[in-house]
Parts: sequence; structure tokens; C-alpha cells
Amino acid sequence: DAKTTQPTSMDCAEGRAANLPCNHSTISGNEYVYWYRQIHSQGPQYIIHGLKNNETNEMASLIITEDRKSSTLILPHATLRDTAVYYCIVRSNFGNEKLTFGTGTRLTIIP
Amino acid sequence: DAMVIQNPRYQVTQFGKPVTLSCSQTLNHNVMYWYQQKSSQAPKLLFHYYDKDFNNEADTPDNFQSRRPNTSFCFLDIRSPGLGDAAMYLCATSRDQGVFYEQYFGPGTRLTVT
Repeated sequence: DAKTTQPTSMDCAEGRAANLPCNHSTISGNEYVYWYRQIHSQGPQYIIHGLKNNETNEMASLIITEDRKSSTLILPHATLRDTAVYYCIVRSNFGNEKLTFGTGTRLTIIP
Repeated sequence: DAMVIQNPRYQVTQFGKPVTLSCSQTLNHNVMYWYQQKSSQAPKLLFHYYDKDFNNEADTPDNFQSRRPNTSFCFLDIRSPGLGDAAMYLCATSRDQGVFYEQYFGPGTRLTVT
């Protein structure tokens, strides 16, 4: 069963903020939200993860709603190199639970 | 730079002819993974090694095997490739499966079965 729901595709103008939503309404208390992206013909790349607080790093910001049922990945100033498939993944950090990739969102940055 | 290396990047094999894909890492990570990614689909985990311990996914076909002779190298063996095994095969590593679970992926090997 899919733990996350993401839009199939999105477009964003170059230089604007790209906001990628993810629904994870069945998330449990010990599960984190992870974001990876996969640029065409490359392996996936880790972006950011969080539990309940908003997180920011050099690549992106992650906003998690208070009820933790959804989150938004924000790329503050999108460039053409941000065109990729973005995967939102929910995973517990206990035991040996694997990363299970869903269908992801294909983000296209428009010049 | 420390990295995950996959060779070759492109591999063509014949139907039923065994093929081996290789992965090496300079990160000294103790966990190594193999994923299969078919066209327009998400990566799907086949198996992983935690140090020398092999962990197979329940739905991974017996046709797929793996070897990890040392920390740095891991191999994917497909004993009798079928047309349905044509895919991108991704190798990934992580330091462990603890609290911070960042996986580092290689560029992948694209397998064509003729």
C-alpha cells in the first residue's frame, strides 16, 4: 500500500519557488518524511528529511503540517538543473525498514 | 571524491545468457543495496547487504543473486536474463540503517536484453 500521494507532474518557472506537496495521512508517530530526487539518467539523490519540525538545508526546505498528514518540499529559487522526479518517502527509523519509492512528482522547470 | 561507482554504465546481454553487474564504493559504508528501475517506474529494492549479511526482498525472483566479497564491492548476478529484466540497475550505499538514513546512489547500469 502506498504511504504517500504526490501529484504526477508539476511545472515551475525558472527562478521561482517550487512547492511540491505530499500527502501522508496514515503516517505514524515514529515515521520520518524523506525527500529524494532523480535527475534523468542518474541515481536518486537525498534532499532532506524531517519528523515534525520544519527543516532547511542548502538544497531545500521541508514544511510538515502540525498534524503531520502532509508536507511540502520547497526549492526556493528553481533552476533548470532542478528538473527531476521528486520522491516523498515515509519511513520509520527503527529496525531495518527499507526506503520504498512511490511514483513521485515529475517537476519541470520552465525557462 | 568519495562515491558509488557502477560498471559498466550500459550492458547488453542475450536472452538467457548470465550477466554480472558491478558496484564499488569509496565511502566505506557497511550497507549496500541493489535496486531495479524499469522504464517510467520508481526504483524497487531487490536486496541489500548489511555488512556480510544478505537480505533478500520477498518478491525478488530467484534469477537474481548477489555477492559482496568485501566492504567495497558488490555484484548483481542475473542467471538467465529474460526480456522483462531489461531495466536500470541502481546500486546504493548507506552508513547503517540507524537514525539518519541517507542512501548514496550510483549512476546505474542500463541493461538491455536481446
